[in-house]
Amino acid sequence: SQQGEEDPQALSIQEGENATMNCSYKTSINNLQWYRQNSGRGLVHLILIRSNEREKHSGRLRVTLDTSKKSSSLLITASRAADTASYFCATALRGSNYKLTFGKGTLLTVNP
Amino acid sequence: NAGVTQTPKFRVLKTGQSMTLLCAQDMNHEYMYWYRQDPGMGLRLIHYSVGEGTTAKGEVPDGYNVSRLKKQNFLLGLESAAPSQTSVYFCASTPSGLYEQYFGPGTRLTVT
Repeated sequence: SQQGEEDPQALSIQEGENATMNCSYKTSINNLQWYRQNSGRGLVHLILIRSNEREKHSGRLRVTLDTSKKSSSLLITASRAADTASYFCATALRGSNYKLTFGKGTLLTVNP
Repeated sequence: NAGVTQTPKFRVLKTGQSMTLLCAQDMNHEYMYWYRQDPGMGLRLIHYSVGEGTTAKGEVPDGYNVSRLKKQNFLLGLESAAPSQTSVYFCASTPSGLYEQYFGPGTRLTVT
């Protein structure tokens, strides 16, 4: 079964609106990471949040982590058409320092 | 720096044929990974390596072999291709298992 599950599976918004994606996971983690994938391309790392952190910002991105609920959210503010992509959360499990487990992703479409 | 490169970008194989996918990174990273991405499945880890000369099985290793003879290269082999191996294959590298991963552009493989 998937360690990380993104919600929703697909999201369609207008340019300028905010987009929020959620990720839930099952077991204890060292960190949680968010990646973006444009159609037909490789994944690009966006942000990493450690298990002892609650919130992190990077430009228009804001990530929160709630370890008690085993969930994270990615907020993209003032979205642009160029933000159209799939977004994946990935967890580095505690006790497994070698690998990430990816969710199935959220497809974000930003309409001009 | 080229980052992570993958060769070839596209390939069509007939069932039973063999091939090798090459991943190269110029960032002196210790850890390297091979993933496959199928529609609706997210990324699944095939094999990974935590250093030159080491390899380990991931989530879906059957039908694949790997080698890491040089630190900068990670090869993925299909000995006898099957239609179920039709997928997009991504290579990634990282300096440490707890850091962000850097992805290649992918190889789209079709097995007929």
